[in-house]
Amino acid sequence: DIQMTQSPSSLSASVGDRVTITCRASQAINNYLAWYQVKPGKVPKLLIYGASTLQSGVPSRFSASGSGTDFTLTISSLQPEDVATYYCQKFDTAPWTFGQGTKVEIK
Amino acid sequence: QVQLVQSGAEVRKPGASVKISCRASEHTFASFHIHWVRQAPGQGFEWMGVLNPINGKPYYTQKFQDRVTMTRDTSTSTFDMELSSLTSEDTAVYYCARRVHLTSPLGDWGQGTLVTVSS
Repeated sequence: DIQMTQSPSSLSASVGDRVTITCRASQAINNYLAWYQVKPGKVPKLLIYGASTLQSGVPSRFSASGSGTDFTLTISSLQPEDVATYYCQKFDTAPWTFGQGTKVEIK
Repeated sequence: QVQLVQSGAEVRKPGASVKISCRASEHTFASFHIHWVRQAPGQGFEWMGVLNPINGKPYYTQKFQDRVTMTRDTSTSTFDMELSSLTSEDTAVYYCARRVHLTSPLGDWGQGTLVTVSS
């Protein structure tokens, strides 16, 4: 099975900072990569997937890039409401494995 | 509009089984495959498997292959996930989820069901 590795596992940044989270697949998955935002006690929220398909209602400060095995999620200007854990997930073929998550906090 | 509604929290003893239900609105029942995902306390998400609502054929990830059963009931628009031989490590919130269109990942999630395994 393809493994998904996220980094870092956690980060702390200031409001307004640019934040980048990386997700690496052990084999190529084309652009079948999703990013979810998960806040405590809440259901995962699909943010963005594929090359850069932003879900409706997701702020434009969120963007994604990458292909093949290496992908990034970028928050261009971190806001207090972005405090959450972010997960990547492959969705090309089963199993749809998740990355380990990246916890984002405000410094 | 809430599309996937799950059954309530469960408490089980080690060795027991648990069945969780996920009800879809009737007109969306056959829309897309239903995935089951879990999150243990303080842990990440674990994808367990997926069920085809049309033919009822499941795919289970190897870790759960021997003790998970995913089924559907077309008469009630319900999907069930049963996990057997429970241990404390199965304590988690279990989610059903599905695509929102043909090329998307999991955009539609149930509210989650907490399963607690404790003696």
